[in-house]
Amino acid sequence: QKEVEQDPGPLSVPEGAIVSLNCTYSNSAFQYFMWYRQYSRKGPELLMYTYSSGNKEDGRFTAQVDKSSKYISLFIRDSQPSDSATYLCATPFSGTASKLTFGTGTRLQVTL
Amino acid sequence: DTGVSQNPRHKITKRGQNVTFRCDPISEHNRLYWYRQTLGQGPEFLTYFQNEAQLEKSRLLSDRFSAERPKGSFSTLEIQRTEQGDSAMYLCASSSQGAPEAFFGQGTRLTVV
Repeated sequence: QKEVEQDPGPLSVPEGAIVSLNCTYSNSAFQYFMWYRQYSRKGPELLMYTYSSGNKEDGRFTAQVDKSSKYISLFIRDSQPSDSATYLCATPFSGTASKLTFGTGTRLQVTL
Repeated sequence: DTGVSQNPRHKITKRGQNVTFRCDPISEHNRLYWYRQTLGQGPEFLTYFQNEAQLEKSRLLSDRFSAERPKGSFSTLEIQRTEQGDSAMYLCASSSQGAPEAFFGQGTRLTVV
């Protein structure tokens, strides 16, 4: 079992839709959870991260962690064509160290 | 631009040749990481430095791979005797010690023909 699992998609939604992207993880010791956005042939860009359980909101993006079910989510409200990218969830292997374990990424396409 | 800088952006090389990539991290970051990403996969950790010390290497880092960070600033990743299986995007990231978030460069795309 991989430490972080993510549905690779692709996920296609119309402009303006609410998008839900999800990951599961296996190690209950993980505390920080990151979401990166990666455009084609570019490096990953950090969107936001959360610590432990709960929600964190940043503009149109909301990250949610449910440690009881080892489930992390990223919601995108009012999706735009510019949101079309691959979204990667990641977690540091231990504490605040930044050696990251990534999911495979979910490819999102927002259509006009 | 104060982000992580990687050079070259693209490299095409013949099998068996040696290649070297460079990474300049965000200036105040003392941790530097190398990852490899193949098509359809997330980045995979290769190695990391704290200042000039290489603290961890992944099993993915075969003996043909070597990384250095001689003065605790920029880093180089060298691949000797390249193989077609080395074709991938090589990503560099940096962070501050104690901070969970890491910031990535644009990557070096290696194609071995």
